[in-house]
Amino acid sequence: QKEVEQDPGPLSVPEGAIVSLNCTYSNSAFQYFMWYRQYSRKGPELLMYTYSSGNKEDGRFTAQVDKSSKYISLFIRDSQPSDSATYLCAWSLGSTLTFGKGTMLLVSP
Amino acid sequence: GAVVSQHPSRVICKSGTSVKIECRSLDFQATTMFWYRQFPKQSLMLMATSNEGSKATYEQGVEKDKFLINHASLTLSTLTVTSAHPEDSSFYICSATGQGAEETQYFGPGTRLLVL
Repeated sequence: QKEVEQDPGPLSVPEGAIVSLNCTYSNSAFQYFMWYRQYSRKGPELLMYTYSSGNKEDGRFTAQVDKSSKYISLFIRDSQPSDSATYLCAWSLGSTLTFGKGTMLLVSP
Repeated sequence: GAVVSQHPSRVICKSGTSVKIECRSLDFQATTMFWYRQFPKQSLMLMATSNEGSKATYEQGVEKDKFLINHASLTLSTLTVTSAHPEDSSFYICSATGQGAEETQYFGPGTRLLVL
């Protein structure tokens, strides 16, 4: 079983839609959970960072962590064409990050 | 937020030459820096981890004599691809963690290397 599973997409939605991106993981030792956004030919940009189960909100973005199910989600409200990018979930164990393969999101105007 | 820069952003070189890529943390002291490689439509693959003033730790399968990493200060790490070949063509990205935020990595914008 892979340590991190993430649907590669692409996920296509119309502008204004609510987007749900998900990852599952198998290593219960993972301590911190992150979502990164990566535009084409650019480095990843940290969006959300949390270490506990529950929800964390930042503007249009909400990160949800369920440690009992080993499942994390990123919700994007009122999606915009500028949100079109690849979204990477990541976990940390110490200073090492384990990434999902990324989900490509396409938001059409 | 923490800012990491990389230089150059893009480089084209002939096979057999060496290429140096710089990674700098601009507004924080980076105790640890990481080097990743990313092929098209693939996730990031960790190549090596370096701490300031010590030798880098390479991931399995990464040739340390081919990918030379130097982390001479708390704000600068360099990756040198020696005797580059076309199969080394890729997107190289560095990241850094700072004191008090070791669990979060901040990424540079990446360097696209094309070896002809």
